[in-house]
Amino acid sequence: DAGVTQSPTHLIKTRGQQVTLRCSPKSGHDTVSWYQQALGQGPQFIFQYYEEEERQRGNFPDRFSGHQFPNYSSELNVNALLLGDSALYLCASSPTGGYDEKLFFGSGTQLSVL
Amino acid sequence: DAKTTQPPSMDCAEGRAANLPCNHSTISGNEYVYWYRQIHSQGPQYIIHGLKNNETNEMASLIITEDRKSSTLILPHATLRDTAVYYCIVRLMEYGNKLVFGAGTILRVKS
Repeated sequence: DAGVTQSPTHLIKTRGQQVTLRCSPKSGHDTVSWYQQALGQGPQFIFQYYEEEERQRGNFPDRFSGHQFPNYSSELNVNALLLGDSALYLCASSPTGGYDEKLFFGSGTQLSVL
Repeated sequence: DAKTTQPPSMDCAEGRAANLPCNHSTISGNEYVYWYRQIHSQGPQYIIHGLKNNETNEMASLIITEDRKSSTLILPHATLRDTAVYYCIVRLMEYGNKLVFGAGTILRVKS
């Protein structure tokens, strides 16, 4: 049983560009969340998707957007990249709309903005 | 902001018990205490959680004080592979997948 898978593992972009990160949840999970982790800090919640809709959002600008597909996979899009967007982006999944006890994380996508 | 306070780092000898403290003095009655850990270059991994009672699973034990203002994560026989950042989180189930992480405790297990 594959866990949460994310692609790509590493990505290099330049300021002003746009980026799309992808996530496939653990089998049987229908809820996907995205987190941003800057170097040396704990992960910060970006948003959560359930039933193809954004259900919760953290304190991130509109440049950060997402999508969930009917197969529960998800994308994170970041527009107009800034140097400060350089971070590890983590995807997490859970069953039952996000009210399960455990949250499973992927290994993340390391984004570098030059 | 995170509602928990943890020491920035701790050392533990291999084979000994590792006791990681966490303060959560403003925890509300329906918030759970969760522990995750993050090994370098990986995503956070769920360890254990509890509401009021002490809990034990195959990975660790969680001791919550009676007033629920603090807790301790116990790794009974630490190994080198337990070297990681350990995060203590208070979670309201209604918040879904929104976890508020603090800076965590870096645990270094030494041989």
